[in-house]
Amino acid sequence: DTEVTQTPKHLVMGMTNKKSLKCEQHMGHRAMYWYKQKAKKPPELMFVYSYEKLSINESVPSRFSPECPNSSLLNLHLHALQPEDSALYLCASSPRQGRRAEYNEQFFGPGTRLTVL
Amino acid sequence: AQKVTQAQTEISVVEKEDVTLDCVYETRDTTYYLFWYKQPPSGELVFLIRRNSFDEQNEISGRYSWNFQKSTSSFNFTITASQVVDSAVYFCALSEVYSGGGADGLTFGKGTHLIIQP
Repeated sequence: DTEVTQTPKHLVMGMTNKKSLKCEQHMGHRAMYWYKQKAKKPPELMFVYSYEKLSINESVPSRFSPECPNSSLLNLHLHALQPEDSALYLCASSPRQGRRAEYNEQFFGPGTRLTVL
Repeated sequence: AQKVTQAQTEISVVEKEDVTLDCVYETRDTTYYLFWYKQPPSGELVFLIRRNSFDEQNEISGRYSWNFQKSTSSFNFTITASQVVDSAVYFCALSEVYSGGGADGLTFGKGTHLIIQP
């Protein structure tokens, strides 16, 4: 299995809702990432998990809360979002964080397209 | 801080033409990694190639080739005999070594929208 899956594919939520995005990989990768991509912009890093521990948080607002319950699963909990948070949320995984280039090849999921009303 | 510049916002060529996508990067690290990704309209990012800072060999894979030059901090991507299916947004990306010893997330350039006309 060489893919990263993300659910749901599309999500529409109100500003008072609580929802979660899910990402799963079964490649044995030990680093997982969340990126946010606005229309016609490049992806921007949000969080990095390495061996199930949060290693990088790019000053993301607390209304986004990541969780890595095990090495295969990565969640992004959403609460009290704003309309400007509407974007494509991409999950990625790589073998691990480390100095070797092949460790850092990131494999991306298809993304969840989020609309906040 | 690292930076990736893709100066070409959009390129349009006719099928079968060769096309080169430019990428210039900035980093203070001596160890870093460079990548190219393709993003078709469906949205999924498709990995194309990686290079580490110690490996300046150019690479060819079918119709794709990459030219990495540390002297000019460039990592350009050429598609030979372009096809309509090559139409997509192409991102160049850089990853530095994280202070904890691992590698950072990716810093992307703004992307080049490549349009191949039949």
